[in-house]
Amino acid sequence: KQEVTQIPAALSVPEGENLVLNCSFTDSAIYNLQWFRQDPGKGLTSLLLIQSSQREQTSGRLNASLDKSSGRSTLYIAASQPGDSATYLCAVRYRSGTYKYIFGTGTRLKVLA
Amino acid sequence: DTGVSQDPRHKITKRGQNVTFRCDPISEHNRLYWYRQTLGQGPEFLTYFQNEAQLEKSRLLSDRFSAERPKGSFSTLEIQRTEQGDSAMYLCASSLFTMTSGRNTGELFFGEGSRLTVL
Repeated sequence: KQEVTQIPAALSVPEGENLVLNCSFTDSAIYNLQWFRQDPGKGLTSLLLIQSSQREQTSGRLNASLDKSSGRSTLYIAASQPGDSATYLCAVRYRSGTYKYIFGTGTRLKVLA
Repeated sequence: DTGVSQDPRHKITKRGQNVTFRCDPISEHNRLYWYRQTLGQGPEFLTYFQNEAQLEKSRLLSDRFSAERPKGSFSTLEIQRTEQGDSAMYLCASSLFTMTSGRNTGELFFGEGSRLTVL
């Protein structure tokens, strides 16, 4: 079964800390993987898209890596700020003849001032 | 504004009523998705359109749900005879599919969602 798992489900860190969020997927045959941020009651904001041929993508303080062989992606957030508090979701599009993106349940991040 | 827009943002209805949500994707985007999200969960796929063609539907999409994308522009999602279990956030996303050097592009962009409460 094609699934996406995110660990931990929740994380609370002091401001300024570097942190890593994890995303695991069950099949290495993927088109791409995308990380999103979601604030309470809002839609999803795209953070980074990694194509299957790429190993990592960077945007500002965010860096996402992709290791298809181990079925893992990590989102690294440098120098965390209270404004980074949100739920972070990853989504995978598998190559199995489907168009859909499968989402994990997210990691709820709280950065304490 | 060139983002994905959804309407209405909030809908409260009584059980048994019909509701319709509208999604306007980013103008040049040819792919459109509907997802449903309940509290504490990730979005669940409902259906996918490429231009005006509905190419994939989830088994979650019972016969009370119907979606259209006439002319490959905006899309509507209708829920007939609503049930309390339909209460959720309904999210629309769009992307642009092109083949560039043999690779798919296709970053997903979401709207703010339409929150449905069924009493």
